[in-house]
Amino acid sequence: RKEVEQDPGPFNVPEGATVAFNCTYSNSASQSFFWYRQDCRKEPKLLMSVYSSGNEDGRFTAQLNRASQYISLLIRDSKLSDSATYLCVVAPSGGSYIPTFGRGTSLIVHP
Amino acid sequence: GAVVSQHPSWVICKSGTSVKIECRSLDFQATTMFWYRQFPKQSLMLMATSNEGSKATYEQGVEKDKFLINHASLTLSTLTVTSAHPEDSSFYICSARVGGGAYEQYFGPGTRLTVT
Repeated sequence: RKEVEQDPGPFNVPEGATVAFNCTYSNSASQSFFWYRQDCRKEPKLLMSVYSSGNEDGRFTAQLNRASQYISLLIRDSKLSDSATYLCVVAPSGGSYIPTFGRGTSLIVHP
Repeated sequence: GAVVSQHPSWVICKSGTSVKIECRSLDFQATTMFWYRQFPKQSLMLMATSNEGSKATYEQGVEKDKFLINHASLTLSTLTVTSAHPEDSSFYICSARVGGGAYEQYFGPGTRLTVT
């Protein structure tokens, strides 16, 4: 089993739709979780951290489910500009911090 | 805040030459910097992790003598691709971690290397 797994998609949704992605991780010792966004031929950009209590930033909501070992990203009222690849990142805390990236989920928002 | 720069943004070189890529954290001190490689339509592949003043830790399968990493200061890390070959053509991205209690990474804009 891969350490971090994501459905590569693509998720093809119309503008205004709500879309959700999940990301599962295998290392139960993982403590830090993030969602990044990567546009084609660009570097990843931090979208949001994922806290145990969940995290909401505008149209974006991230949640963590430790029992089932997955994190989720919910995008409401999708915009054309949301089209990108969403990468999930999982890492242990502490000195041996090595982040593990998922392969990413491709989102295409169409008019 | 948390801006990371990379230079050059793209480079074309001939097979057999060496290429140096610089990664700088502009407005913070980075305790750890990471180097990644990404081939088209593939995920980021971690190549190595470097901490200031110590030797880089390379991921399995990454040749440390081919990809030389120097983390000279808390704001600068360099990756040198030695004796580059066409199969080294890729998108190289660095990232920096602020450290302390923060675990977010901030990525440089990447360097697109083409070896002819």
